Amino acid sequence: QKEVEQNSGPLSVPEGAIASLNCTYSDRGSQSFFWYRQYSGKSPELIMSIYSNGDKEDGRFTAQLNKASQYVSLLIRDSQPSDSATYLCAGGGGATNKLIFGTGTLLAVQP
Amino acid sequence: NAGVMQNPRHLVRRRGQEARLRCSPMKGHSHVYWYRQLPEEGLKFMVYLQKENIIDESGMPKERFSAEFPKEGPSILRIQQVVRGDSAAYFCASSLKGQNTEAFFGQGTRLTVV
Repeated sequence: QKEVEQNSGPLSVPEGAIASLNCTYSDRGSQSFFWYRQYSGKSPELIMSIYSNGDKEDGRFTAQLNKASQYVSLLIRDSQPSDSATYLCAGGGGATNKLIFGTGTLLAVQP
Repeated sequence: NAGVMQNPRHLVRRRGQEARLRCSPMKGHSHVYWYRQLPEEGLKFMVYLQKENIIDESGMPKERFSAEFPKEGPSILRIQQVVRGDSAAYFCASSLKGQNTEAFFGQGTRLTVV
């Protein structure tokens, strides 16, 4: 079982819609979770961090964490073509003492 | 406020040569991670270092690869006797307090072995 799992996609949504990206993790000791955006050929860029159960909103982005279900999600409201990228979920603070990434979900926002 | 700086951005090496990749963390950050990324694949953890210490090197191949983060100067990822399979993008990230805090990435080094 992978430590952090994501659906590779592609996830295709129309412009203006809500994009929902999901992530599950196996290490119950993980305490912190992060979402990164990576454009093709570029480095990952941190867009959200979440540490406690519930929702955290920042502009068009909302991160959701459910530790009981070991589930993290990222919602992007009013999706724009410029949001088209690979979104990486990462978990840290668990037993493995390192920041572990999922393989990423490719999001395509159609104009 | 400079971000994480990696150099070189592109590195071409012939098979059998050595590759040295450098990473200067963000100011004030003492935790450094190295990741490898192959085309169309995710980030694979290689090593986690603090100043003068290797915290976790479970993702590093046992041979030819080494990493250090000296008291002064950048973190270095060293690959000896490179092979074509080492061709990849190598990313460095730094954080203030370790894996529970936000980590920021450098621009990466694209290594090509010919």
